[in-house]
Amino acid sequence: QKEVEQDPGPLSVPEGAIVSLNCTYSNSAFQYFMWYRQYSRKGPELLMYTYSSGNKEDGRFTAQVDKSSKYISLFIRDSQPSDSATYLCAMDTGNQFYFGTGTSLTVIP
Amino acid sequence: DSGVTQTPKHLITATGQRVTLRCSPRSGDLSVYWYQQSLDQGLQFLIQYYNGEERAKGNILERFSAQQFPDLHSELNLSSLELGDSALYFCASSPTGGDEAFFGQGTRLTVV
Repeated sequence: QKEVEQDPGPLSVPEGAIVSLNCTYSNSAFQYFMWYRQYSRKGPELLMYTYSSGNKEDGRFTAQVDKSSKYISLFIRDSQPSDSATYLCAMDTGNQFYFGTGTSLTVIP
Repeated sequence: DSGVTQTPKHLITATGQRVTLRCSPRSGDLSVYWYQQSLDQGLQFLIQYYNGEERAKGNILERFSAQQFPDLHSELNLSSLELGDSALYFCASSPTGGDEAFFGQGTRLTVV
């Protein structure tokens, strides 16, 4: 079983839709949870970082962590064509990062 | 701009050769990570350094090695290159190794 599971998609939505991206994990030692956005062949860009259960909001992005269910989500409101990218979840024990394989998102104008 | 600098941006070399990829972390970051991303593949963790010392090792081949220098920059050495080593190689840095990591723009290695 992989440490982090992420549906690779692809996911295609119309502009303005709410997007939900999810990851599950198996390691209870994960303390920190992150979401990265990666445009094609570019370096991953950190979007959200959290270390506790609950919600964290930043503009159109909301990160949700449920440690009891070992489940994290990223919600994108009012999605834009510029949001088209691959989204990677990442988790950290404090010593090492574990990445999901990424979900490819396309927002159609 | 994440503040992490990787050089070179592109590298084309022949099978059997050796190359060195360089990474300068963000100012003040002590931890450096190396990742490999092949076409349409996820990020594969290779190795992590913290303040000059190896902290964690992932799926790094024996033909690959890395080090972090006293000024905290890091180099990833790839030797006896094979066609399958063609990939994007990313470096990331974080302040302590237990917090968020910031990625460079990567080095695109093509082995021909």
